Amino acid sequence: GQQVMQIPQYQHVQEGEDFTTYCNSSTTLSNIQWYKQRPGGHPVFLIQLVKSGEVKKQKRLTFQFGEAKKNSSLHITATQTTDVGTYFCAVLSAGGFKTIFGAGTRLFVKA
Amino acid sequence: GAVVSQHPSWVICKSGTSVKIECRSLDFQATTMFWYRQFPKQSLMLMATSNEGSKATYEQGVEKDKFLINHASLTLSTLTVTSAHPEDSSFYICSARDSRSSGAFSSYNEQFFGPGTRLTVL
Repeated sequence: GQQVMQIPQYQHVQEGEDFTTYCNSSTTLSNIQWYKQRPGGHPVFLIQLVKSGEVKKQKRLTFQFGEAKKNSSLHITATQTTDVGTYFCAVLSAGGFKTIFGAGTRLFVKA
Repeated sequence: GAVVSQHPSWVICKSGTSVKIECRSLDFQATTMFWYRQFPKQSLMLMATSNEGSKATYEQGVEKDKFLINHASLTLSTLTVTSAHPEDSSFYICSARDSRSSGAFSSYNEQFFGPGTRLTVL
């Protein structure tokens, strides 16, 4: 089945530093979604990308979908303590039915 | 809008007992709901797809007789962990997609997650 590899597994940053997490697939993806899960909480949808080379921004968050649609990244500029959590990429299976999650990247932000 | 509730939020039970977890979409209809399991510091693993009015579709390796799923209405799906054992202790999360969703390029692909149920089997 379709899988995505996500790196890094975790990252510690000082507040104010930037952060990036990457997702890669060996096959071309029709779409990619990003979710955030706060400690003790549930995943919350952030965004969906479907177009080759697409770039979307949400305040300090920048999402990119690679030209070949095999990779994606989430970049956070000037992290804040509220950014702490696990960020998951996810893809819809063929037919757009099931959602398959990457392993996630845990972000720790030190004030 | 788009709220999914889950009950209970946590449960502790003895080994061998059964536990029922409810997942409700509060302000939208969901013909399909999904059940995930998440172990500490790990990703969400899809267990099964719950289909309103029909049998659930289980992922490979998930025992359908152990994890009973019922989706009797457009707003309620239940997961029953039968004869629970300590290795079943986990965080169980349901999600639902608005029934308007219709494929990979729909703008309604967003999944709404319940708050999760933490199950501890002694």
